Amino acid sequence: DIQMTQSPSSLSASVGDRVTITCRASQSISRYLNWYQQKPGKAPKLLIYAASSSQSGVPSRFSGSGSGTDFTLTISSLQPEDFATYYCQESYSTPLTFGPGTKVDIK
Amino acid sequence: QVQLQESGPGLVKPSETLSLTCTVSGGFISSFYWNWIRQPPGKALEWIGFISYSGSTNYNPSLKSRVTISVDTSKNQFSLKLSSVTAADTAVYFCARGTPTTMITDYWGQGTLVTVSS
Repeated sequence: DIQMTQSPSSLSASVGDRVTITCRASQSISRYLNWYQQKPGKAPKLLIYAASSSQSGVPSRFSGSGSGTDFTLTISSLQPEDFATYYCQESYSTPLTFGPGTKVDIK
Repeated sequence: QVQLQESGPGLVKPSETLSLTCTVSGGFISSFYWNWIRQPPGKALEWIGFISYSGSTNYNPSLKSRVTISVDTSKNQFSLKLSSVTAADTAVYFCARGTPTTMITDYWGQGTLVTVSS
């Protein structure tokens, strides 16, 4: 199975800050990497797929990059509605695996 | 707009079988893969498995011996059965649509909490 790690596990930031979350796969997954945002009591929402493609309707402040084993999700200017937990997920092979999550809260 | 809705008992006794159904509306169940994913309270997401519109399945090896996913295309529904449950199976269970080949889960149900307790 492919193992996914994320860093940091949590961060505190202010509105307007630039935020970067990293995700690492235990082996190369090409660009089969997706990012999700989850708010308390809600289902995950797809933000970025195939490492850098934005899902329809996702604000342009969210961007993704990377390939192989190392990936990043960047929020260019954090907004109040962005405080949430972010998960990466590989879709290179089954079992599909998620990272442990990064919680972004208010500083 | 595709919508998914989970349904089933919220409480299951230890050693019994957990059964959930996901109803898909706003689109046909054909041409996609249909996933079950769970999230224990306060923990990360765990993929359980998927079924294709044609009925082929793929399960997480960690749960494979206890999981069955089936599809009813006439009702636009797919289902999950998890046998011999324990407290460790307490979680919010989500159903989600997966795109063929890329396996991106783009539409999710709201999730349903299943508690395993006597």
